[in-house]
Amino acid sequence: AQSVTQLDSHVSVSEGTPVLLRCNYSSSYSPSLFWYVQHPNKGLQLLLKYTSAATLVKGINGFEAEFKKSETSFHLTKPSAHMSDAAEYFCVVSDLMTTDSWGKFQFGAGTQVVVTP
Amino acid sequence: DAGVIQSPRHEVTEMGQEVTLRCKPISGHDYLFWYRQTMMRGLELLIYFNNNVPIDDSGMPEDRFSAKMPNASFSTLKIQPSEPRDSAVYFCASNSPTGTGVTGELFFGEGSRLTVL
Repeated sequence: AQSVTQLDSHVSVSEGTPVLLRCNYSSSYSPSLFWYVQHPNKGLQLLLKYTSAATLVKGINGFEAEFKKSETSFHLTKPSAHMSDAAEYFCVVSDLMTTDSWGKFQFGAGTQVVVTP
Repeated sequence: DAGVIQSPRHEVTEMGQEVTLRCKPISGHDYLFWYRQTMMRGLELLIYFNNNVPIDDSGMPEDRFSAKMPNASFSTLKIQPSEPRDSAVYFCASNSPTGTGVTGELFFGEGSRLTVL
């Protein structure tokens, strides 16, 4: 079984300061992990993904995430927030290697990011 | 590629009416997913297809909901009769494995916002 917990439902940051969005997961097998962003009235867009290659993953718009197996975490960071980063962010886990789990993407509850000038 | 295309983008209907939502997946993707997003419940998987065959419909709320995929480029989600509690944003997503046992990311449409009065 797989699950994902986003530790913060809301994060408020000032423009130009670092952003940290926390995600912990549980997975029976080797997981694939994703971060998606959803701007208001839009669909979800992939920011980055981890699929058992490098543990530090770089994504679009300056975001990156580090897979830490020992901590079962996949936190998303950005060194300097921009006003356009205001959106909802979802951490997603899916089990690698098992066809029984194929199609079962487990979404976190989401973290709403507010960026203040 | 144009991405995943959903229609209509907005639908307002009265209780008891039939609603049909449509989705065109990305060409070549052999998995198609229907999700529902509400403030209260977040993102919920309703059903997904592989090669036009429904694989898991355990998330379909009740018999009022049905989904079909008559060919690789088209799927519908139908609600009959609709109820106010069906008001939500319905997302279609598609993907394809990147290799044997490797999970590919989901590509989402812009969503169909349904309001049932």
